[in-house]
Amino acid sequence: RKEVEQDPGPFNVPEGATVAFNCTYSNSASQSFFWYRQDCRKEPKLLMSVYSSGNEDGRFTAQLNRASQYISLLIRDSKLSDSATYLCGGTSYGKLTFGQGTILTVHP
Amino acid sequence: EAQVTQNPRYLITVTGKKLTVTCSQNMNHEYMSWYRQDPGLGLRQIYYSMNVEVTDKGDVPEGYKVSRKEKRNFPLILESPSPNQTSLYFCASSSYVRDRAKNIQYFGAGTRLSVL
Repeated sequence: RKEVEQDPGPFNVPEGATVAFNCTYSNSASQSFFWYRQDCRKEPKLLMSVYSSGNEDGRFTAQLNRASQYISLLIRDSKLSDSATYLCGGTSYGKLTFGQGTILTVHP
Repeated sequence: EAQVTQNPRYLITVTGKKLTVTCSQNMNHEYMSWYRQDPGLGLRQIYYSMNVEVTDKGDVPEGYKVSRKEKRNFPLILESPSPNQTSLYFCASSSYVRDRAKNIQYFGAGTRLSVL
């Protein structure tokens, strides 16, 4: 079983839609979690860190559920510019492991 | 400007010809790492380094070597490249802070390698 698993996607949503991604992790020693965004053929860039209490940044909300070992990302009011691949990642003693990524396409 | 610099950005080579992909960061980060990205498999960690002279295997280390003689540099070495090492490679670095949620990794722009 992969250490970090994501919704396979792809997600194809209209502008203005709300979309949610989930990610499960198997290593209970994982200490911190992140969501990264990757545009086509570019490097991943941090979208959000994920805190136990949940955190929000504008249209984006991240949640962590340690008991069930999953993290989530909610995007409200999707924009065309949100089209990208979203990668979840977890760190354990310095080692960061990513899920395989979920492709989001927002269409007019 | 804070950055992670990889070179070369694109490389086409032949099986068995040793190559090195360089990675340099100017943020004085302790932690550096190499990943490869393949369709359907996501980002997989090859090697990582917690500090100078400290390296460890990631998930897919076979066929690769690394060294960390200086804090800023973390080269990836393919002693005898094979076609299954054709991939997109990313170097990343981060600093340790007390708030682990801030251990953000910064990625280089990527190296697209083709082994014929």
